[in-house]
Amino acid sequence: NAGVTQTPKFQVLKTGQSMTLQCAQDMNHNSMYWYRQDPGMGLRLIYYSASEGTTDKGEVPNGYNVSRLNKREFSLRLESAAPSQTSVYFCASKGTGTDTQYFGPGTRLTVL
Amino acid sequence: QKEVEQNSGPLSVPEGAIASLNCTYSDRGSQSFFWYRQYSGKSPELIMSIYSNGDKEDGRFTAQLNKASQYVSLLIRDSQPSDSATYLCAVKGGGTASKLTFGTGTRLQVTL
Repeated sequence: NAGVTQTPKFQVLKTGQSMTLQCAQDMNHNSMYWYRQDPGMGLRLIYYSASEGTTDKGEVPNGYNVSRLNKREFSLRLESAAPSQTSVYFCASKGTGTDTQYFGPGTRLTVL
Repeated sequence: QKEVEQNSGPLSVPEGAIASLNCTYSDRGSQSFFWYRQYSGKSPELIMSIYSNGDKEDGRFTAQLNKASQYVSLLIRDSQPSDSATYLCAVKGGGTASKLTFGTGTRLQVTL
């Protein structure tokens, strides 16, 4: 049981490049989330998916898009990366009937 | 005013002492409260959840909730060097959306 997995673990991009961060969970959870974590800012919600087929904006959605590919997978896409998107990105998932979220190991992204 | 506030620390306590971590929140309709521990370079992991006023104990950890004062705390008894980490307070607000709002975290240092 791997829980929540994320790929890649590290990534360096140049300004303007695009990339997709992948997240998968094997806990049969309905809800999935993407956060970014910056020093002094805490975890901020980018997008979330309450169930397969639905996605909603969080606190900081600008510059990002998401796809809930199926119940297991939730991807985050940066279409044109900017230095302000340098951050650590965490994916999380949550089962039905609980508010507890479980986090993946994170992706450390640097945009030059 | 931030929705979830924590003192950033560092909070330094000697080994064996009680560490007291505090969190205040602004949404009076908040329903669920969580404490996550995050080691440097790692992802957040859930250590305690609390839903009703009063105390909830789990081993060396005690969560305390006072909804009237909009205050939640975490006590760590017999603090160990392995408890040195950043502790994140998270709150699920009122409403149906299963979103958590995180504080910026308190860094705890347990000294020998």
